[in-house]
Parts: sequence; C-alpha cells; structure tokens
Amino acid sequence: AQSVTQLGSHVSVSEGALVLLRCNYSSSVPPYLFWYVQYPNQGLQLLLKYTTGATLVKGINGFEAEFKKSETSFHLTKPSAHMSDAAEYFCAVSGGNAGKSTFGDGTTLTVKP
Amino acid sequence: DTAVSQTPKYLVTQMGNDKSIKCEQNLGHDTMYWYKQDSKKFLKIMFSYNNKELIINETVPNRFSPKSPDKAHLNLHINSLELGDSAVYFCASSHSDSQAIYGYTFGSGTRLTVV
Repeated sequence: AQSVTQLGSHVSVSEGALVLLRCNYSSSVPPYLFWYVQYPNQGLQLLLKYTTGATLVKGINGFEAEFKKSETSFHLTKPSAHMSDAAEYFCAVSGGNAGKSTFGDGTTLTVKP
Repeated sequence: DTAVSQTPKYLVTQMGNDKSIKCEQNLGHDTMYWYKQDSKKFLKIMFSYNNKELIINETVPNRFSPKSPDKAHLNLHINSLELGDSAVYFCASSHSDSQAIYGYTFGSGTRLTVV
C-alpha cells in the first residue's frame, strides 16, 4: 500500500517569501510522485512530477520539488511567493501496478500582502 | 477546447433521487477515473476504466454505477441519493499505464448537494 502525509494543513507566507510545502510518502515499490494545485472552484492541475532520473524537478509557475529517497520526502518549494499562488496543494504517489494515484490530505497556502 | 469536461457543474437534488454526471475527454487518453472530494477536501478514488473496462472499484456503495460507452466517456450514475453523497466529484484521465506514472488531467468538478 502507498500513502502520503502532508505536514501542515495550512501554511501562510508573506508575498515574496519562500514557499515550502512538505510531503512525505510511504511506498514498498519505487514511487512516482506528483504535486497538484487546486484553485477555488476548479479541478486539480498537475504542477510537476518525479518519475526517474534527476531528483530535482521543475514545474510550472516557478515551483520545484526534490525527491529524497533517504528521507522519503518530496517537498515543494518556490523562492518567492506571489498572491496568485494562494490555493490548495496536493501531493500524490503512485507506482507498483496499483493503477492509481493516492493523494495526501492537502495543504492550504495563504499568501499575505 | 476543454480537455476533460464534466456536466453538470452544479447539481442540487433531494434525497432518494437518481442522478447522473457525465464526463468526456478529448486528449486521446485510455484511462479515466472518478474521484470524490469531501468537504474537508480529501480526495478518494472511486473507479477507473481503461478502454471501457473497469479496472478499479474501490469500496463504494453499489448505488454508484459507472458506465464507459467508449474510452473518451465515463459517466457516473447514482441511485437513491443520500445526504452523505454531497461532495465534489472529479473526473480525470491519463495515458494507459498500470503504474499511473503520467499523472492525471482533471475536469473542473461537479458539486453535488443532496438536500
């Protein structure tokens, strides 16, 4: 079975500050890891994904995430927050012929002016 | 063109009614999913279809019945609606892959309210 834990259901940062959203996973097989963003009243949009290869992956809107196998983590970062980054962020894991992604509980990012 | 489109966007109905939600994707994907997002925003998979074949059927009441007439369409029919069925239902699609490596493209959701 696979699972994802997102540490911190709410994160608040000031505009221009570093964004760090934490995700730890559990998987008995090599994981494929994803971050999605959900804006109010919209569906989820894929931000970035790690499959194999380079452990630092870059996504849309200036976000990036680093896969650290030893720490079973896949934290999402952005150097400078923008007001438009305020949204719900979901980490997800898949792999091992489960045929599906399992999502974390989400982190609400608030950006203060 | 919308990649994954769901209709209706909002659905308000009384307990005991039967309702359907439709989903269509124009991405050429082989696999489609239904996810349920509850009021706390938790996302849980309900069903997945690969090329019209049911692949995943999680622990979902049998009042919920998916139907895939072709690989571009996946509909969800719900019988005898209950208050607890109120949620946002998301359709998603992806390339065919048993490890779900590609990630999903989601529709914009259907907000179901049962009164």
